[in-house]
Amino acid sequence: DTGVSQNPRHKITKRGQNVTFRCDPISEHNRLYWYRQTLGQGPEFLTYFQNEAQLEKSRLLSDRFSAERPKGSFSTLEIQRTEQGDSAMYLCASAGSDRRNEKLFFGSGTQLSVL
Amino acid sequence: GNSVTQMEGPVTLSEEAFLTINCTYTATGYPSLFWYVQYPGEGLQLLLKATKADDKGSNKGFEATYRKETTSFHLEKGSVQVSDSAVYFCALYSGGYQKVTFGTGTKLQVIP
Repeated sequence: DTGVSQNPRHKITKRGQNVTFRCDPISEHNRLYWYRQTLGQGPEFLTYFQNEAQLEKSRLLSDRFSAERPKGSFSTLEIQRTEQGDSAMYLCASAGSDRRNEKLFFGSGTQLSVL
Repeated sequence: GNSVTQMEGPVTLSEEAFLTINCTYTATGYPSLFWYVQYPGEGLQLLLKATKADDKGSNKGFEATYRKETTSFHLEKGSVQVSDSAVYFCALYSGGYQKVTFGTGTKLQVIP
């Protein structure tokens, strides 16, 4: 169990540029979540995958945000035409297939700064 | 929808003091309740959980009891240590929505 891995750890970009983040969940986990966390706030749910299917998206997720999980393994989160308000920590978490086991395993996050 | 409200921080305590961080929730059905902790420079990790009313979760000297009548899940520790300094998040899981909803977090600073 190598844990949830996120890359990059930090990303600095200029407003209007596109960015993509990657998350590698724990290998046997079929559930994957993306959250966003800003300073002084708790993580806010963005989207959820069960295997390769994206089952839920938050209203926070504008059309500029897209997430994929091809083949039900790693996931990517892309933000197009970044805005300064997108600056935040983007967290990925995974969980096992047993819905009774609600424990989430979090990665260390990707800190995005939009200048 | 589901929501979690926890006391604002920061909370500053001397070592060996008693800790309480309040948490109340709003949810449909019968959610599971959690406390997650985030140490400086690290990712969130589960501290303890309770899955039904009157359950007590405990770990590392921390405890919290699921109180359905008051919709609360307060975190307590009898004697805090400097190493407990972190941000603590109360959270709930509602299986029908397949996601965990977090509170805003409470920063704890323990001074020697």
